[in-house]
Amino acid sequence: DTGVSQDPRHKITKRGQNVTFRCDPISEHNRLYWYRQTLGQGPEFLTYFQNEAQLEKSRLLSDRFSAERPKGSFSTLEIQRTEQGDSAMYLCASSLAGEETQYFGPGTRLLVL
Amino acid sequence: EDQVTQSPEALRLQEGESSSLNCSYTVSGLRGLFWYRQDPGKGPEFLFTLYSAGEEKEKERLKATLTKKESFLHITAPKPEDSATYLCAVRTSGTYKYIFGTGTRLKVLA
Repeated sequence: DTGVSQDPRHKITKRGQNVTFRCDPISEHNRLYWYRQTLGQGPEFLTYFQNEAQLEKSRLLSDRFSAERPKGSFSTLEIQRTEQGDSAMYLCASSLAGEETQYFGPGTRLLVL
Repeated sequence: EDQVTQSPEALRLQEGESSSLNCSYTVSGLRGLFWYRQDPGKGPEFLFTLYSAGEEKEKERLKATLTKKESFLHITAPKPEDSATYLCAVRTSGTYKYIFGTGTRLKVLA
C-alpha cells in the first residue's frame, strides 16, 4: 500500500496524559498537513510542513499541541496534558509540491476520558 | 473571512434518483476547490480538483462543476454504495490552509 499511513488508529487516554501520533506520507510527497475532525464537522486545519519546515500553524492550536517532521519524511503530532475537548479524529494528508490535491490517511481516533 | 458552506446537510435519495450537492464559497483568491468522499470512521477520499470557473470533471456517476461563487457535485443514477459524506474544500491565495465545509451526508436507498 503506497498511501498515507497513520499510527495508532485508535487511542484512549486519561485526561492530563500526553499522546503522540505518527504520520507517514506518500513517499515522494514533500508537503504534509495535520487536521482535526469532530463529529458532524469537516476537517479543521492544524498545521502544514514543506519538507522539514513548519510553514503554517492554525491560530486555534493551543500551546499543548506540537508537530515535527525532523527529516522531511514522517511527522509526529504530540498533545500534552490532554483534555476531554481534544477527543476527535486526527487526520494527516500529503501532497506533491506544485500540486494542490491532498491525499488523506485513515486517521487516528483519540478518546480522552 | 474565507468561508465554505455546503447544502443540504443531509440528503436521502432513492436508487437511480439523480440530484446535486452544493458548495458555496467566499474567498479572497481561489487556488483550488476540492471534493472528497468520506465513509464513517475513515479519512476523506479524493474525488476532484477544480481550478477555474467553467471547469468540469467527471468520474463514473459523479460530475463536479465550478462557478465563481459555488461548485456543484452532480450524482447521476446513484447506487446505495454512493452513500457517504461528501466534503468540499478550498485553498486560497496567501495561505497553505485548506478550508473544509461541514459536508453533505448522502443516503441512497435501494
